[in-house]
Amino acid sequence: AQSVTQLDSHVSVSEGTPVLLRCNYSSSYSPSLFWYVQHPNKGLQLLLKYTSAATLVKGINGFEAEFKKSETSFHLTKPSAHMSDAAEYFCVVSESGNQFYFGTGTSLTVIP
Amino acid sequence: NAGVTQTPKFQVLKTGQSMTLQCAQDMNHEYMSWYRQDPGMGLRLIHYSVGAGITDQGEVPNGYNVSRSTTEDFPLRLLSAAPSQTSVYFCASSYAGFNSPLHFGNGTRLTVT
Repeated sequence: AQSVTQLDSHVSVSEGTPVLLRCNYSSSYSPSLFWYVQHPNKGLQLLLKYTSAATLVKGINGFEAEFKKSETSFHLTKPSAHMSDAAEYFCVVSESGNQFYFGTGTSLTVIP
Repeated sequence: NAGVTQTPKFQVLKTGQSMTLQCAQDMNHEYMSWYRQDPGMGLRLIHYSVGAGITDQGEVPNGYNVSRSTTEDFPLRLLSAAPSQTSVYFCASSYAGFNSPLHFGNGTRLTVT
């Protein structure tokens, strides 16, 4: 069975400092993993995806994530937070079966 | 290039009323799906479709019906609205299912009183 755990429901960082949003997953096979961002009252936008190629994945707006199979983790990072990064972030796992499983989300606050 | 279009953006229903949430995509995606988003629960899959004429249930299908008569459209029907269906609903599509990222509409905020 698949599941996703986002370890922090809320993260606060100061502008210009690094961002770390943590995601652990469980999957029986080789999963596809995604991070999405949702700004207030908007739909979800894809940040990056892992689909069994390079384990370090670069996404939009300076975000990246590293797939660590031994730790079943897919943490999202950014070297320097910007005010516009304040949003809700979702980690998503999928494997064969045509279903995507969402974490409960991490709300990122950026302090000026 | 519209992507995924959902209508309406907002809707208020009384308990027992029925309605259809519309979803259309212009990317020729085979896979389409409906999610509901509730605070602290992430997005939960209601129904999905892997092509015209093919639909299947997700995690929370009760109280909802879907059909897929064309590749472009995937409407979600609430048969008899209940307050528990108050939520934000998102339609999403992807090119080929699990290995391809989802493209989302902007959502429909539904309130059932």
